[in-house]
Amino acid sequence: AQKVTQAQTEISVVEKEDVTLDCVYETRDTTYYLFWYKQPPSGELVFLIRRNSFDEQNEISGRYSWNFQKSTSSFNFTITASQVVDSAVYFCALSAYGGSQGNLIFGKGTKLSVKP
Amino acid sequence: DAGVIQSPRHEVTEMGQEVTLRCKPISGHDYLFWYRQTMMRGLELLIYFNNNVPIDDSGMPEDRFSAKMPNASFSTLKIQPSEPRDSAVYFCASSLVHSYGYTFGSGTRLTVV
Repeated sequence: AQKVTQAQTEISVVEKEDVTLDCVYETRDTTYYLFWYKQPPSGELVFLIRRNSFDEQNEISGRYSWNFQKSTSSFNFTITASQVVDSAVYFCALSAYGGSQGNLIFGKGTKLSVKP
Repeated sequence: DAGVIQSPRHEVTEMGQEVTLRCKPISGHDYLFWYRQTMMRGLELLIYFNNNVPIDDSGMPEDRFSAKMPNASFSTLKIQPSEPRDSAVYFCASSLVHSYGYTFGSGTRLTVV
């Protein structure tokens, strides 16, 4: 079975603080993809990043960075120097290459509130 | 590209009525997904299509739900008859499996009263 767990339901930080959102996944497939999506208060789902299971390099995009560790089945997301506009619900998701090819399985999401 | 287009954005209907949600995927994308988002269950897959063929409909909650994809540029999700517990945001998404990300539409917020 495939599963994505985001243990943090809600996080509240003050602007300029760094914050890390945790994501742990389960899959039996050897080839899979991991994603992060952002859902701002307006409701749309915004794609942030895709990582395949063979690429464990960390990635940085501006204030965003992602740490993929296969050994712990984790794909954590860090926002550096958070801003109020980062307030949103963030979803981690898994897409396996095997029998359920193409299907995105989402975690329950982490609601991030950044206060001024 | 205009992205994935869903209509309507909001739908309010009375219990027992038929509801049809529409989706136009990104041109060239082979996969189309229908997801439902509720507070209790989060984002859950209802059904997905590959090249217009339904591949997995195990997430469709009941026979009241049906989905079609008559061609590569259009899909519908129908609920008949609708019930208050169907109230949710319904998202459509499309992808090329090996592309960089799945693109979601803006969603349809359905309220059944």
